Amino acid sequence: KAGVTQTPRYLIKTRGQQVTLSCSPISGHRSVSWYQQTPGQGLQFLFEYFSETQRNKGNFPGRFSGRQFSNSRSEMNVSTLELGDSALYLCASSPVTGDNSPLHFGNGTRLTVT
Amino acid sequence: GQQVMQIPQYQHVQEGEDFTTYCNSSTTLSNIQWYKQRPGGHPVFLIQLVKSGEVKKQKRLTFQFGEAKKNSSLHITATQTTDVGTYFCAGPTDSGAGSYQLTFGKGTKLSVIP
Repeated sequence: KAGVTQTPRYLIKTRGQQVTLSCSPISGHRSVSWYQQTPGQGLQFLFEYFSETQRNKGNFPGRFSGRQFSNSRSEMNVSTLELGDSALYLCASSPVTGDNSPLHFGNGTRLTVT
Repeated sequence: GQQVMQIPQYQHVQEGEDFTTYCNSSTTLSNIQWYKQRPGGHPVFLIQLVKSGEVKKQKRLTFQFGEAKKNSSLHITATQTTDVGTYFCAGPTDSGAGSYQLTFGKGTKLSVIP
């Protein structure tokens, strides 16, 4: 079974621009979560989608948004990029939503904002 | 909100020595999960503990869940260079309306000196 696929792997953007990251979950997995990882803050939860609905949202500004498609693929968008948005963005999938579902992470997208 | 704290932040050990990382939650957890992230890699699920006082072993790794289900530990016996990486614990946070998000500790970065 193929793992979680994230594209692109690396991205360099300028302050003020916007970016869209893509995630394809493991086949059959319907829940997709997004995390931001930085050296200072660690892994911080952005949001979770299940059956095309946002189930949860972390404590991030409205510039961070996402969506999920009927095939469970997900995208996240960051608008008006700031230098502090430079991070590794990780997508993770699980078969179902809930408190008992271990996450399967993708390799991440490394975003650098200059 | 719920916090998951991990100590130590860093640990340097000589190959062959033992290693332990500790995880504490501010609230009772329904389960706790452990992940390992190799340098340059993504978090990989190791194990999930559900029952109070539960102990699970994976070869040289021993995982424990506290009696009060608020703390956990990971112990590695006789470390090897392949154990290098950052170990994260994670617990589900109830976001209301039956939805949960997985909150990660900041991790313990293990270095093994050959």
